[in-house]
Amino acid sequence: EDQVTQSPEALRLQEGESSSLNCSYTVSGLRGLFWYRQDPGKGPEFLFTLYSAGEEKEKERLKATLTKKESFLHITAPKPEDSATYLCAVQARGGGYQKVTFGTGTKLQVIP
Amino acid sequence: DSGVTQTPKHLITATGQRVTLRCSPRSGDLSVYWYQQSLDQGLQFLIHYYNGEERAKGNILERFSAQQFPDLHSELNLSSLELGDSALYFCASRTGINTDTQYFGPGTRLTVL
Repeated sequence: EDQVTQSPEALRLQEGESSSLNCSYTVSGLRGLFWYRQDPGKGPEFLFTLYSAGEEKEKERLKATLTKKESFLHITAPKPEDSATYLCAVQARGGGYQKVTFGTGTKLQVIP
Repeated sequence: DSGVTQTPKHLITATGQRVTLRCSPRSGDLSVYWYQQSLDQGLQFLIHYYNGEERAKGNILERFSAQQFPDLHSELNLSSLELGDSALYFCASRTGINTDTQYFGPGTRLTVL
C-alpha cells in the first residue's frame, strides 16, 4: 500500500529563518510527487510536480527536491504569508489518478 | 482563484438526512475528482469522473454517489448521513486524462449534527 509521511507535523519559524519540510514515501513505482499549499478552510493550491530522483523545482522562496525515498520542500527566508499547511502526495505508476495518496501535511507558521 | 467553484460553502444538517454538493470545474476541464478531508486525516480520494463517465472509485461509501452532467458540472450526493461524515469536501478538476495538475475548489464544509 502506498504511504506518505510528512514531518514535522508542525513547524514554527521566525521570519527569515530558512528550513525544510520532509515527505517520505513508499509507492509501487512513482509516477509523480506533488506539493500543495493549503490555507485554513480553503482548497489545496498546486505548487510542484516532481517525476524523477534528482529533479528540482523552484517558485519564489520555495524549492522542491526529490530522491528515491523522499522529497524536501525548502523554504528560504520565509515571510509570514508563507504560513500554511503544506501537503505532499504521490501518484503510483499505472494506477490512474485514483492512486494519488496524500500525506497529512506540515503546518507552517512564520512569525514576524 | 483556481477557477473551480463549489456550492454551498457551508452545510449543516442532521443525521439521517441527504445532501447534494455541487462542483463546476474550470472552463475546458473534463475531469472532476471528489475528495473528503476530515480533521487529522489527509485528503481521501472518493471518485473520479471524466467527460461524464465514472473512471475510478476510491474510499467512497455506498451511501455516497456522484455524477457528472453533460455541461461537466458534478454533484456528490451523501445520504443517510452520520456524525462521522462531517468533513470538508473538495472537488478538483484537471484538463485531460494524462495531465497531472489538479486544481482544487474552495470546498464545502459539511456539519452533521
